[in-house]
Amino acid sequence: GENVEQHPSTLSVQEGDSAVIKCTYSDSASNYFPWYKQELGKGPQLIIDIRSNVGEKKDQRIAVTLNKTAKHFSLHITETQPEDSAVYFCAAILSSNTGKLIFGQGTTLQVKP
Amino acid sequence: GAGVSQSPSNKVTEKGKDVELRCDPISGHTALYWYRQRLGQGLEFLIYFQGNSAPDKSGLPSDRFSAERTGESVSTLTIQRTQQEDSAVYLCASSFSERAPQHFGDGTRLSIL
Repeated sequence: GENVEQHPSTLSVQEGDSAVIKCTYSDSASNYFPWYKQELGKGPQLIIDIRSNVGEKKDQRIAVTLNKTAKHFSLHITETQPEDSAVYFCAAILSSNTGKLIFGQGTTLQVKP
Repeated sequence: GAGVSQSPSNKVTEKGKDVELRCDPISGHTALYWYRQRLGQGLEFLIYFQGNSAPDKSGLPSDRFSAERTGESVSTLTIQRTQQEDSAVYLCASSFSERAPQHFGDGTRLSIL
């Protein structure tokens, strides 16, 4: 069935360290993979996305990598700052045409100053 | 503002009552999505609109849930005869087109007493 699994569920790092969150998906025809950051009481905010025709995308301290063969993609945050603390969600659009997103269960990232 | 707007931000109601949640998408966005987020969980897809038609209603949990959209503008999600398990944050997202990046509102936090 449609499924996106996300690990770890919680992640605590020291300020300045890197953080990596990983997701796997079930549908090999999936072709769009966004990452969202959600702060308390707010809606998810799109921070980066990648399509299946590229293997890596970077935006300042944030990067996403995609391995289509293994059906997994990862979010990398370098030089973490306390304001990076939030819940991060990965998602995938499956091969159906509607564009509905299937979300992972979320990772709570805590960056300790 | 230029973002997705949802109202009310909070709604508390008694079990058995009907509720209506509103979403104003970003101007020009033809695609509109409703998701539900239970406490500490990822987002679950409910329904997708392209213009004022709903080609994908597969996520609506029961016939107590319905939604409509006026043209390429406002959408309303209605829950009839609310139950305690309906308590969640209901999030709306819009995108320029199907499979384009989705941008979320801050949601309506629904509490059923």
